[in-house]
Amino acid sequence: DAKTTQPPSMDCAEGRAANLPCNHSTISGNEYVYWYRQIHSQGPQYIIHGLKNNETNEMASLIITEDRKSSTLILPHATLRDTAVYYCIVSNQGGKLIFGQGTELSVKP
Amino acid sequence: EAGVAQSPRYKIIEKRQSVAFWCNPISGHATLYWYQQILGQGPKLLIQFQNNGVVDDSQLPKDRFSAERLKGVDSTLKIQPAKLEDSAVYLCASSLDGLPYEQYFGPGTRLTVT
Repeated sequence: DAKTTQPPSMDCAEGRAANLPCNHSTISGNEYVYWYRQIHSQGPQYIIHGLKNNETNEMASLIITEDRKSSTLILPHATLRDTAVYYCIVSNQGGKLIFGQGTELSVKP
Repeated sequence: EAGVAQSPRYKIIEKRQSVAFWCNPISGHATLYWYQQILGQGPKLLIQFQNNGVVDDSQLPKDRFSAERLKGVDSTLKIQPAKLEDSAVYLCASSLDGLPYEQYFGPGTRLTVT
C-alpha cells in the first residue's frame, strides 16, 4: 500500500504556481520523497526527489517540512502542458516505487 | 537518446486467449521493470529484472503471467490465459542502476480483454 496521502484533484490557473501537497506521516529516517507525473496516455516521468532538505531543479521545487511528515511540490509557473497526474512516493534509496492514485492537476487557461 | 520502446501499443483479445508484450529498454540500462496500470489507479510493479535475473516478482500472478529478459536486454511479458481483469496498460521502465529516481518509462501497451 502507498505510504502517502494526496488530494485526488486540483486546479491551477495557467502562469500561476501550482502547489501540490503530500502527507507521509509514517516516513522513516532513510526514506526519500519522490515525485513523478503522468501525462495522459504516457508513462510516468520523474520530477524531483529529496530526503530532508528542500530541492529545486529545472522542473519544480520540493519543500519538505522539518518533521518530514509532509511535503509540497511546487511548479512555479504552470502551463497547460503540466496537466497530469502527480504521484508522491516514499521509498528508500534502493527501494521500489509504490504508486498511489496521485493528484490529478488541471491547469486552466 | 532513444527512450524505452514498447510494442504493440494496443491489443484487444478475448478472455482465455494468450498475449505477449515486448519491451526494449534504454541502451545500457541494467534494470528493467514491468508495471500494470488499471484505469484510475497508479502503476503497480509486476516484476523487476537486474540484467537477466529476477530481483522482485512478488506481485506477478505466476499462474498466468510470465516474463523473461534474455541476454539482459529486451524483455517480453506474457499472459496465458487472459482474464477480463487483466485489462490494463502494461508499462515497461528501465534504469541504469536500479535507483527509484531514475526510472524511464515507455508509452505502455493498452490491453483490452473482452
